[in-house]
Amino acid sequence: KAGVTQTPRYLIKTRGQQVTLSCSPISGHRSVSWYQQTPGQGLQFLFEYFSETQRNKGNFPGRFSGRQFSNSRSEMNVSTLELGDSALYLCASSFTASGRVGYNEQFFGPGTRLTVL
Amino acid sequence: AQTVTQSQPEMSVQEAETVTLSCTYDTSESNYYLFWYKQPPSRQMILVIRQEAYKQQNATENRFSVNFQKAAKSFSLKISDSQLGDTAMYFCAYGGQFYFGTGTSLTVIP
Repeated sequence: KAGVTQTPRYLIKTRGQQVTLSCSPISGHRSVSWYQQTPGQGLQFLFEYFSETQRNKGNFPGRFSGRQFSNSRSEMNVSTLELGDSALYLCASSFTASGRVGYNEQFFGPGTRLTVL
Repeated sequence: AQTVTQSQPEMSVQEAETVTLSCTYDTSESNYYLFWYKQPPSRQMILVIRQEAYKQQNATENRFSVNFQKAAKSFSLKISDSQLGDTAMYFCAYGGQFYFGTGTSLTVIP
């Protein structure tokens, strides 16, 4: 099976712009979660989508949003970019019916490195 | 809110030796999962080992084992016979709604 893929791998944007990141989960996985990884804050949970619905949400401002399509592919959007949004954004998929993320193994993608100038 | 603490930002170990990475967490829940993930320099995060809280037996996966102390809310990872490929960032994570520690950078020295 192909693993989780994320596109693009690298992005450079300027403050105030918006950006969309894409994630394709492992075939058959219906849950997709997004994480932000920074040296200072570590790995932080953004949100999780299951069957096109946001099922869990972390503590991030509304500038961070996402969606999931019927084929389970997911996109994450960040509007009005700030310097502090520079980070590695990781997507993870899992095969789970459980309502709680983290009860099943998550398979991570390679990440998208976002740099905001 | 749940918190996960990894108090060792960096560690090193000689090849073939054993090393233990520490993790403590805070929760009011009674059942949950705990995970150790490995993130090599290539950045692909992979699962090392998983422990379900209601299982008293410590999980093991080949050279990797955990010491799970539920009352103490401690979840340490032991790597035996360390190999060069074990060089990576190791993250302890609390399930439910994923909370990650800040990671321990492990270097295996030849």
